[in-house]
Amino acid sequence: ELKVEQNPLFLSMQEGKNYTIYCNYSTTSDRLYWYRQDPGKSLESLFVLLSNGAVKQEGRLMASLDTKARLSTLHITAAVHDLSATYFCAVDTGEESGNTPLVFGKGTRLSVIA
Amino acid sequence: DAGITQSPRYKITETGRQVTLMCHQTWSHSYMFWYRQDLGHGLRLIYYSAAADITDKGEVPDGYVVSRSKTENFPLTLESATRSQTSVYFCASSDIAPWVYNEQFFGPGTRLTVL
Repeated sequence: ELKVEQNPLFLSMQEGKNYTIYCNYSTTSDRLYWYRQDPGKSLESLFVLLSNGAVKQEGRLMASLDTKARLSTLHITAAVHDLSATYFCAVDTGEESGNTPLVFGKGTRLSVIA
Repeated sequence: DAGITQSPRYKITETGRQVTLMCHQTWSHSYMFWYRQDLGHGLRLIYYSAAADITDKGEVPDGYVVSRSKTENFPLTLESATRSQTSVYFCASSDIAPWVYNEQFFGPGTRLTVL
């Protein structure tokens, strides 16, 4: 059974600081997805990582994937208040034998304070 | 409107009543999914569908029924609502077969309260 663990689950950080959110998963996969959710809102796709070593960046966020370590990171650079949200990673096993819905981590609630 | 919509957005019901949550997408995506979101649990898959008339159970299917007679619609029914089904329900869809690429697009959610 695929398990996805994120840490930390809660993160309070000061504006201008850097930090990393970690996403570990338990079985082989080379496809990982990051989503953002604002309070009371839906989930918005941030990054799709489809191979070992994949790195994607948008603004102050950078995501990477290490399939051998079964680890993805979401790095925040010089945080600003607008980044306050909950961030989810999700993994699928990519099996060709059948459908493999995404398994989500529990989310990291990020609060950026002045 | 283009995209994926859910209705109602908010629903209050009583224990034992039947409730149906609607999901409609205009992209002609093959795959559709229902999740529930609860504090401390993240998102958990209830049911999903690969195409019209093809559905499969997810992690937490008990107490729920789905159907998919048309590609664009994927209703979720709580046959006899219980307080433990109080949650936020999200519908999602994806275009390409999951074993190739599985970016899912989410609807706005339905907040359901069972009294």
